[in-house]
Amino acid sequence: LAKTTQPISMDSYEGQEVNITCSHNNIATNDYITWYQQFPSQGPRFIIQGYKTKVTNEVASLFIPADRKSSTLSLPRVSLSDTAVYYCLVGDNVGAGSYQLTFGKGTKLSVIP
Amino acid sequence: KAGVTQTPRYLIKTRGQQVTLSCSPISGHRSVSWYQQTPGQGLQFLFEYFSETQRNKGNFPGRFSGRQFSNSRSEMNVSTLELGDSALYLCASSLYDRTGEQYFGPGTRLTVT
Repeated sequence: LAKTTQPISMDSYEGQEVNITCSHNNIATNDYITWYQQFPSQGPRFIIQGYKTKVTNEVASLFIPADRKSSTLSLPRVSLSDTAVYYCLVGDNVGAGSYQLTFGKGTKLSVIP
Repeated sequence: KAGVTQTPRYLIKTRGQQVTLSCSPISGHRSVSWYQQTPGQGLQFLFEYFSETQRNKGNFPGRFSGRQFSNSRSEMNVSTLELGDSALYLCASSLYDRTGEQYFGPGTRLTVT
C-alpha cells in the first residue's frame, strides 16, 4: 500500500504563501495526485489535481517532481478562511486488478491574523 | 445542480444492530465511493461502485457492504455494529472514477453505544 506522509499541522500569517508537501511511495504509473480541503463538519472539497510538473488553478498550485514520489500544494496569500485540514490523495495499484485510494492523515493549517 | 446528499445526517445505534446509510450522487455521476472518517485513522476508503458493480474495496471486514442502484444512488450497510464503527461516513460521487475530481456529501455521523 502506498504510504503518504504530510506534516500534522502548520501555522501561517494572513497574506503569506503556504506550501504543504506530501510524500508518497509506490504511486501507480497512471495515478493522479489530488488535494482536498476539509472544514469541520463538512465533506472534503476538491482543490487541485495533477500528474507531473506544475498545475495551477484559481486557488492553488501543485508542484510534482519528475519521480512523482512527492507533491507540494502551494496556497498563495492565505486568508483566515483557508484555515482547514488539507489532504493529499494518491491511488495505489496493489495488483490483480485491485486498486485502493489512500488519503494522507491531513495537515491542519491554521491561519493567524 | 444539486450536490451529493446523504441520509440520515445523524444516527445513534447500539452494539449488535445493523445500519443502512444512503447516498444520492450528483446527477450524471456514475461512480460512488464511500469513506469512513475517524479522529484516529483519518479518512479511509471503504468501497467504490460504478454502474451497479463494486469496482474496488478497501481493507474493511465483511460487515461493511454496499450496493448501487440503476439510478446511481448507493447504500452502505454495516451489520453487527461495534463501538469502533462510530465515525463520520462520507459518500463521494464522480463522473467516471474516484481518481478524478470527487464531490463529497456532508456525511452521516454514526454513533454506536
